[in-house]
Amino acid sequence: DAGVIQSPRHEVTEMGQEVTLRCKPISGHDYLFWYRQTMMRGLELLIYFNNNVPIDDSGMPEDRFSAKMPNASFSTLKIQPSEPRDSAVYFCASSLDARSYEQYFGPGTRLTVT
Amino acid sequence: AQTVTQSQPEMSVQEAETVTLSCTYDTSESDYYLFWYKQPPSRQMILVIRQEAYKQQNATENRFSVNFQKAAKSFSLKISDSQLGDAAMYFCAFFLMNRDDKIIFGKGTRLHILP
Repeated sequence: DAGVIQSPRHEVTEMGQEVTLRCKPISGHDYLFWYRQTMMRGLELLIYFNNNVPIDDSGMPEDRFSAKMPNASFSTLKIQPSEPRDSAVYFCASSLDARSYEQYFGPGTRLTVT
Repeated sequence: AQTVTQSQPEMSVQEAETVTLSCTYDTSESDYYLFWYKQPPSRQMILVIRQEAYKQQNATENRFSVNFQKAAKSFSLKISDSQLGDAAMYFCAFFLMNRDDKIIFGKGTRLHILP
């Protein structure tokens, strides 16, 4: 398996633009997580899905952020409109099942909003 | 390639006692960050403590402190005055922020607090 795949790896955009981050989890994994990584706050869980259903989105910072998982092999995180404070590295991770704590992380998307 | 190793899959400590969780890592880079995360059953990754590799002083956060040995590539977490709420999975993580952003987690240590 290729592991968790994220695209793009780097995204530079101007304030006010829409940004869409993409993730393909490991095949067969039931859980998918979206995280935001900053130096000050470390890794923040934004939202996670179980079997394509959003379970906990309490970490989504505000209405500008939305996430979808239309099927077991694809998820998107959208920011609209983007702001400079959204600049961070966004990680997607997947996990096998409810008993497994080990999460497999993708390579991340570095987002820069100018 | 960077690796993170947590050699203790499970540990137990008596309430109010002190426990140390070990973590070693391997990298050829000199500028990186190390984290300890706590993961309760809610699955949220809660940041416990952070250490910048360029800082020699060990980080502390209330009852949590680290012993960072850069030359030995060791980053252990000490929990003093253990409390029942400290029971969780603890993950050591290595973060490299350059053109190849990477976050690498160890496999975790499950900590049990005995009343």
